[in-house]
Amino acid sequence: EVQLVESGGGLVKSGGSLRLSCAASGFTFSNTWMNWVRQAPGKGLEWVGRSKSKTDGGTADYAVPLKGRFTISRDDSKNTLYLQMNSLKTEDTGLYYCTTHGVPAVWGQGTLVTVSS
Amino acid sequence: SYELTQPPSVSVSPGQTARITCSGDALPKKYPFWYQQKSGQAPVLVIYEDTKRPSGIPERFSGSSSGTMATLTISGAQVGDEADYYCFSADSSGHHWVFGGGTKLTVL
Repeated sequence: EVQLVESGGGLVKSGGSLRLSCAASGFTFSNTWMNWVRQAPGKGLEWVGRSKSKTDGGTADYAVPLKGRFTISRDDSKNTLYLQMNSLKTEDTGLYYCTTHGVPAVWGQGTLVTVSS
Repeated sequence: SYELTQPPSVSVSPGQTARITCSGDALPKKYPFWYQQKSGQAPVLVIYEDTKRPSGIPERFSGSSSGTMATLTISGAQVGDEADYYCFSADSSGHHWVFGGGTKLTVL
């Protein structure tokens, strides 16, 4: 079964850090470009960033407002995508999804991040 | 930064055709994806690369584009199609992707 499972969310104070993980199964993760997408409570979807496969360069791109605070990495040996979030702000509160880029489109159920002041 | 613009809401009666638009300067060169998100659920891809439909998506969902505007068309909309719909595409560099603000489709 094709599946993505996010973890690592929780409650953190403003200025703190958090690392999210996304475990992939059922498809060839190493060949797949991956996205992080977030959704603030009651708001729309927001693209966070993308990780290319190593065969396509292995680089990451980020939403312009987030670059510098967020870092995406991947461990193909563990079929896992990561999102390191630093200097967190209250406006970073939301549900964080990992998803494949393109088709087939696979989404996890998300992990909730709450940043308190 | 790059933006995609969608109408906040669209309302149709059951059986009618719903059209949801998405405008962006890079759309002539960067194909959009369209996602459906029902309340409390993860998004589902309904159209990719402008006009293609993933397996399992009903034929009543179709995509088109003209210039800087893309359109998601739902022919014979059903009550079960009520959801938020988002377009998703890249800026002209291809390095930065954005979602449109989302359109709430009401079928009643």
